[in-house]
Amino acid sequence: GAGVSQTPSNKVTEKGKYVELRCDPISGHTALYWYRQSLGQGPEFLIYFQGTGAADDSGLPNDRFFAVRPEGSVSTLKIQRTERGDSAVYLCASSIQGDFEQYFGPGTRLTVT
Amino acid sequence: AQSVTQPDIHITVSEGASLELRCNYSYGATPYLFWYVQSPGQGLQLLLKYFSGDTLVQGIKGFESEFKRSQSSFNLRKPSVHWSDAAEYFCAVGARVTGRRALTFGSGTRLQVQP
Repeated sequence: GAGVSQTPSNKVTEKGKYVELRCDPISGHTALYWYRQSLGQGPEFLIYFQGTGAADDSGLPNDRFFAVRPEGSVSTLKIQRTERGDSAVYLCASSIQGDFEQYFGPGTRLTVT
Repeated sequence: AQSVTQPDIHITVSEGASLELRCNYSYGATPYLFWYVQSPGQGLQLLLKYFSGDTLVQGIKGFESEFKRSQSSFNLRKPSVHWSDAAEYFCAVGARVTGRRALTFGSGTRLQVQP
């Protein structure tokens, strides 16, 4: 079956702009996660959804970052007033009902110039 | 809060040689433990996981890992490395806390395989 998909695969934006990154989880997976992976580092947790609600958003670095999952399937990570330090690969993962076995998508590489 | 240390940034082995990638964690109890592999331009793929029970865990692609509580370690091993194993490997831990599902990753070990 289809895995986790993320669009776009690459996004280049100017400092100060707004961006949206999309994640389409595996069908039937109720849990969805966002991670950020900076160059040379492991992924860092941002936020976890169970269904439509954010069950844990403790990893969001500041209020410029926001994520939604209005229908419990597709999720959008939104970054306002982007900064060069936001440049990273943004990974999405999904799992069955919050099972720890998380399946990752290929990521969106965000570059802020 | 939990943390993960992968002390080897880069390892080179010859094809057919054995492999051991080190992982140490810091956590107040026994965490959930994972190894993921990431090939260039690809997402993370789960190799194996430890939740409880037998401390020797078998994974995909011939990998195994042993949870050693006394050493807070979860090293990844493979008896004979193939050229296709060249990739970046990440160890991760999950906290046994209700409602928490975040994984904490180490900084990774890049494996290079020489012919």
